[in-house]
Amino acid sequence: AQSVTQLGSHVSVSEGALVLLRCNYSSSVPPYLFWYVQYPNQGLQLLLKYTSAATLVKGINGFEAEFKKSETSFHLTKPSAHMSDAAEYFCAVSGSDGNNRLAFGKGNQVVVIP
Amino acid sequence: NAGVTQTPKFQVLKTGQSMTLQCAQDMNHNSMYWYRQDPGMGLRLIYYSASEGTTDKGEVPNGYNVSRLNKREFSLRLESAAPSQTSVYFCASSEWPPGHYEQYFGPGTRLTVT
Repeated sequence: AQSVTQLGSHVSVSEGALVLLRCNYSSSVPPYLFWYVQYPNQGLQLLLKYTSAATLVKGINGFEAEFKKSETSFHLTKPSAHMSDAAEYFCAVSGSDGNNRLAFGKGNQVVVIP
Repeated sequence: NAGVTQTPKFQVLKTGQSMTLQCAQDMNHNSMYWYRQDPGMGLRLIYYSASEGTTDKGEVPNGYNVSRLNKREFSLRLESAAPSQTSVYFCASSEWPPGHYEQYFGPGTRLTVT
């Protein structure tokens, strides 16, 4: 079974500073990896996904994530935080063996300080 | 093109009451899902339907039932609500298998059981 670990439920970042959200996964087969974002009182929407085509994945709103197999990680970054980045971010993993479940991490609530 | 719609947006129930949460998608997706979101727990899969006519249990199915009414609609029923079912419920849809494709989420139903 696949699982995801996201540490630090709340992350504070200054406007203009680097955003770094860590995601480590556990999977017995090559994984599919996703980052979703949830703005207040809304459903989740896809930021980016890794499907083995390239290890550095670019997403919407200036976010990117790098897949590192040796570290079983898929950390999310953005060089310069904007006030509109305040949201909750979820990492999710699924196995490429046809496993039916997408396993979500517990999420990071990002607060942007002006 | 509305995407995934959910009704109602808010609901308050007394312990022991029943209700059905409705979900519909207009993207012609084969697969649909019900999740619950609780603070600090991320999203947990309740039930899913890989295709019209099939349903399967997810991670937390106890106390819930589902019906895949047709390709567009997937409902979630609470037969006898309990305070532990106070949560935000999200419906999602995607192509199959879920791990390979983006899931599209509805806006959620905020349920309180007193």
